[in-house]
Order: sequence, then C-alpha cells, then structure tokens
Amino acid sequence: ILNVEQSPQSLHVQEGDSTNFTCSFPSSNFYALHWYRWETAKSPEALFVMTLNGDEKKKGRISATLNTKEGYSYLYIKGSQPEDSATYLCAWSNRDDKIIFGKGTRLHILP
Amino acid sequence: DGGITQSPKYLFRKEGQNVTLSCEQNLNHDAMYWYRQDPGQGLRLIYYSQIVNDFQKGDIAEGYSVSREKKESFPLTVTSAQKNPTAFYLCASRTSGSSYNEQFFGPGTRLTVL
Repeated sequence: ILNVEQSPQSLHVQEGDSTNFTCSFPSSNFYALHWYRWETAKSPEALFVMTLNGDEKKKGRISATLNTKEGYSYLYIKGSQPEDSATYLCAWSNRDDKIIFGKGTRLHILP
Repeated sequence: DGGITQSPKYLFRKEGQNVTLSCEQNLNHDAMYWYRQDPGQGLRLIYYSQIVNDFQKGDIAEGYSVSREKKESFPLTVTSAQKNPTAFYLCASRTSGSSYNEQFFGPGTRLTVL
C-alpha cells in the first residue's frame, strides 16, 4: 500500500500567527500532488493541484510548494484566521487517475 | 446545478445485509471514486473508475463491489463480507486527462451497521 504521510496530525495556532505543515509522498509513479481543505459538515474542497518540481501555488493567504525529487510538499498559511480551522488533506496521484490521500492535518485556530 | 449527489445521508443496516450507496454526478466527469473515512483516519480509497464499464480496486476493496454502467453513476455495494462496514463514505469525481484536474466530492453517506 502506497503511503502518503502528513505531519503534524493536529496543530493549534494562535489567530494572526503563520503556520505550515508537511506532506510526504513516494516519488515513484508520481503525477500530481493535491491539497484539499475539509471543514466540518462540508465536503472536501480543492486548494491546489501541482505537478512540476519546484511548483509554487498561492491562493490568498495560503500557499504551497512541491519537491517531487525528495517527495514532499509544504502548505503555508499566513496570518491565520478562525475560518482557517479545518482538516487539510494532501493526495498523491498517478497517470492512471489513482488518488491516495494522507490522514490529514487538523488545524485549530485559537482566538 | 452541477454537482455530485450521494444518497441517503444516513443509512442503517443490520449485520449480514448487503447495502448499496448511491453516487450520481452531472459534471460530465470521466473518473469517479469511492473513499471511506474512519475516526482518526484520512480518506482511504475503495474503488475508482476512469471510464464506463471499467473500474480498479483501491487499497481497501475487500468486502465491497462497484459498477459503472453509466458515466453519471458509480454505486458502491457494501457486502456482508466487509468486516467493519460502519464508516463515513465519500464519493468523488474528476475529469481525466489532465494532471491539474481536482476532485469534486459529494456530501457523503454515513453508514451504521447494527
């Protein structure tokens, strides 16, 4: 079974602080790396999809980087807000549309 | 409105009974997926399908079966052979053919086996 690892499992961050967390994945058969945000009582929603080594994506205060050679991606949140509280999932995909998720990082923003 | 629907939202079944979870999409997506979530776990892939009449096993396919007779529909049957069927089940779809295509998720079905 292919392993996609996310760390930390859970994170508490003070409102206004910046934070980041990690996704590591196998480099073999890699095609794309996905980040999703999953808020309570909602469906997961896509944040970024990256494919190329060195890719960097940004959406507002959230950004992500990709290193396919060493098999990791970072997600950064700048100036955390209460609405950032969610579980952040990363997923590895191959050319045959297989998509495998990590266990997620549960982010709690403290007021 | 375009989207993915899963029904029902909550489902209760007696142990030993097969149960089928519905997933329908009107996004014209080629690929469809079934995931299972348990407490403290991420989304684990059960089955996926890239095109009609074709599907592949994911990491935890044992005790499950699927069909893909229509592009819009990808029902999942939880059989009596599945040892721990109580879980939250999510269906997703995406367009194939491009590495940048994201998945779109349904609202999920929470299955409880009594």
